[in-house]
Amino acid sequence: KAGVTQTPRYLIKTRGQQVTLSCSPISGHRSVSWYQQTPGQGLQFLFEYFSETQRNKGNFPGRFSGRQFSNSRSEMNVSTLELGDSALYLCASSLPPGLASGTDTQYFGPGTRLTVL
Amino acid sequence: AQSVTQLGSHVSVSEGALVLLRCNYSSSVPPYLFWYVQYPNQGLQLLLKYTTGATLVKGINGFEAEFKKSETSFHLTKPSAHMSDAAEYFCAVSGPSNQFYFGTGTSLTVIP
Repeated sequence: KAGVTQTPRYLIKTRGQQVTLSCSPISGHRSVSWYQQTPGQGLQFLFEYFSETQRNKGNFPGRFSGRQFSNSRSEMNVSTLELGDSALYLCASSLPPGLASGTDTQYFGPGTRLTVL
Repeated sequence: AQSVTQLGSHVSVSEGALVLLRCNYSSSVPPYLFWYVQYPNQGLQLLLKYTTGATLVKGINGFEAEFKKSETSFHLTKPSAHMSDAAEYFCAVSGPSNQFYFGTGTSLTVIP
């Protein structure tokens, strides 16, 4: 079974631009979560989508947004890029919530390395 | 609320020595705990997880972790370090809303 795929793998943008990152989950997985990873802040949760609805949201400004499509693929968008947005953006997918929510293992993609100049 | 603390951002061990990476958690509900490993320029790979049942959990690559409720700990161990174990390790706890909370990571260096 193919793993989580993320495109593009590397991206260079300039301040003020916007960017869209894509994530395709493992087949059958309906939950997709996004994380920002930086050396100083570690892994920070951005948001989670399930069945095209945002279920959870981290503490990020409104410039960060996402969506999920009916085939469970997800995109995240960052508008008006800032230098501090340079990071590795990780996507993770998991199965639908079971009877004991919270046990669903998250499987990560390789990430998109975003550099803002 | 859930949170994770990883003690020691950098750990160095000699090849063949015991690996011990520490993780303490805080959770308002019975925790589900995970260890992930990240190699350079890659995503996170699941090493092992604890949900319910046996408190000693075995994972891939010879790693294991023990859930100790009284100590709110979930330390990761491996009896004998290998050069290929050099990587970043993350402990995580998930809560009732399926949101994961990650520690700040521990960078493991293996000295030949």
